[in-house]
Amino acid sequence: EVQLVESGGALVQPGGSLRLSCGASGFTFSSSWMTWLRQGPVKGLEWVANINQDGGVKNYVESVRGRFTVSRDNAKNSLYLQMDSLRVEDTAVYYCARDRDLSQSGNYYDAFDIWGQGTMVTVST
Amino acid sequence: AIQMTQSPSSLSASVGDRVTITCRTSQDIRDELGWYQQKPGKAPNLLIYASSSLQSGVPSRFSGSGSGTDFTLTISSLQPEDFATYYCLQDYNYPRTFGQGTKVEI
Repeated sequence: EVQLVESGGALVQPGGSLRLSCGASGFTFSSSWMTWLRQGPVKGLEWVANINQDGGVKNYVESVRGRFTVSRDNAKNSLYLQMDSLRVEDTAVYYCARDRDLSQSGNYYDAFDIWGQGTMVTVST
Repeated sequence: AIQMTQSPSSLSASVGDRVTITCRTSQDIRDELGWYQQKPGKAPNLLIYASSSLQSGVPSRFSGSGSGTDFTLTISSLQPEDFATYYCLQDYNYPRTFGQGTKVEI
């Protein structure tokens, strides 16, 4: 069964740290770009970061750059998000997703075709 | 970052209705746009990519169109399981950005 399962969400104080994990099964993880997204009460759905197949290319949304780090372990079929210096506005459900290459007619397209169930991160005193 | 403007933010419809949701982007993104459906308590689900390509397994009553800055998602005949929130997403550049969502309710 094709599946992504997130874990690691928790209640943390502002300025604290948290590490999220995402385990993959049922598809070739090592061949896939992977993405973290989040859905908070104020900003709605937000793309957070992604990472290419070997971990050599990473992209971040400006609001988390320098605080969050995306990484992966292909031997363990796992994706991670290290979150430091957490802020109240980071409160959200965090999803991992496969970023699938759907290129056609010589044009590059990608989309998030597999999602996890989400893990809740609450940043509060 | 590319700004995404969806309209309407919510709509009321009945089973069998034709429903149209629009998404406007702040710059030309060619046809690099997707549509997602989200039901309460669940992760979003991919419906359409490349503006008009139907994701495998998605019913043919869903269709997408548009290019440049104006895009449309159409549900030709609304079914009970289609009551949900719909989001557009541009994959033209980073950071990827979503519309604010359209809630389709009875």
